[in-house]
Amino acid sequence: NYMLTQPHSVSESPGKTVTISCTRSSGSIASNYVQWFQQRPGSAPTPVIFEDNQRPSGVPDRFSGSIDSSSNSAFLTISGLNTNDEADYYCQSYDSNNWVFGGGTKLAVL
Amino acid sequence: QLQLQESGPGLVRSSETLSLTCTVSGGSISDSRYYWDWIRQPPGKGLEWIGSIFYSGSTDYNPSLKSRVIMSVDRSKNQFSLRLTSVTAADTALYYCAKHGGHPYWGQGTLVTVPA
Repeated sequence: NYMLTQPHSVSESPGKTVTISCTRSSGSIASNYVQWFQQRPGSAPTPVIFEDNQRPSGVPDRFSGSIDSSSNSAFLTISGLNTNDEADYYCQSYDSNNWVFGGGTKLAVL
Repeated sequence: QLQLQESGPGLVRSSETLSLTCTVSGGSISDSRYYWDWIRQPPGKGLEWIGSIFYSGSTDYNPSLKSRVIMSVDRSKNQFSLRLTSVTAADTALYYCAKHGGHPYWGQGTLVTVPA
């Protein structure tokens, strides 16, 4: 079993770029695909990245995903921030056939 | 465009069984590329995976819930279901159904309350 650790919160100004990290506690981050979900208040989570770096249809290319083996982390980068990006962001991966979620990161755009 | 819709009672008494169904439209639940999942989110908290089911009926469950979870699939109705037995107030949550394997899709969620 392993854990995915995310920062509790991040903040950045409109128009800037923010990167949210998701660090795997054991085993290689590259061993299993990572997904990222956006959850606005009162709404269901929606995928913004799947299979490490793929964008679902309709998600703007301001959202990108990457993994880094040296830090054993996955990253979600959002460029050109706007207030609509304010939300909780969750990373998710797999442990055998089980899902593992990160604790979520609250993004403030101010 | 694949769509998933949860349905079931919004209120379940303590010690009873929670039963939810997810109806899939815009695609076939029998597609061998996909798995079908339940995830929940207690009010104000993070996401917790409950389990996955394949169209053949094979399942994987969260070890912390495994003793109380049963998932099933009804290919004729293009639905899959969740049963959670012996519920307590700690099972109060938004319950989401989802598909994984390639592009993920999630339902809008349904709130299930178990009064203390």
